[in-house]
Amino acid sequence: EPEVTQTPSHQVTQMGQEVILRCVPISNHLYFYWYRQILGQKVEFLVSFYNNEISEKSEIFDDQFSVERPDGSNFTLKIRSTKLEDSAMYFCASRNRGQNTEAFFGQGTRLTVV
Amino acid sequence: AQSVAQPEDQVNVAEGNPLTVKCTYSVSGNPYLFWYVQYPNRGLQFLLKYITGDNLVKGSYGFEAEFNKSQTSFHLKKPSALVSDSALYFCAAKTTDSWGKFQFGAGTQVVVTP
Repeated sequence: EPEVTQTPSHQVTQMGQEVILRCVPISNHLYFYWYRQILGQKVEFLVSFYNNEISEKSEIFDDQFSVERPDGSNFTLKIRSTKLEDSAMYFCASRNRGQNTEAFFGQGTRLTVV
Repeated sequence: AQSVAQPEDQVNVAEGNPLTVKCTYSVSGNPYLFWYVQYPNRGLQFLLKYITGDNLVKGSYGFEAEFNKSQTSFHLKKPSALVSDSALYFCAAKTTDSWGKFQFGAGTQVVVTP
């Protein structure tokens, strides 16, 4: 069964450093998302991406964040200058065409900022 | 603004007893509604969704959910809970635009005791 894959599974970085979280969505999917979850609590929307551009972003997704789909298969989230409060589990998700299709989530990348 | 509420942080149930996890939503129009399950250190797994039609939706692992438009609710149910159903459950709503985000509730921890 196709799945969304994320790498790395765990990333430790120093405050102020840049990190790139990588995702390979399911191959024929068209809509892509990043969410984050702090300490196993609420799942927070960061950004949605369609047709090579951002469809919607949340207040969390400020200028320190960016997304890219550089080669038609990978979907990356970059945090330019990490802060302690960026420590969270980051989930990538993808969805097929259609208004009501469900999103498939990756296993997540645990980001720890020290 | 759209929102999804899960009024219970935790639901405790004995194995073999019926399980209900509550969800209400406040979303404009006729949203699509979803349930996801998360096991420890894992991503979110799709369980079921409501699009239109029959108010009782059947999904994976014996779960079902009842949509009630007048009460704006979408409660998850299982007639006979298993210990292996112990996990974190999330309700989500999505608007009808194709690129729309999934708005998640805060999650409900289900604990099934032998």
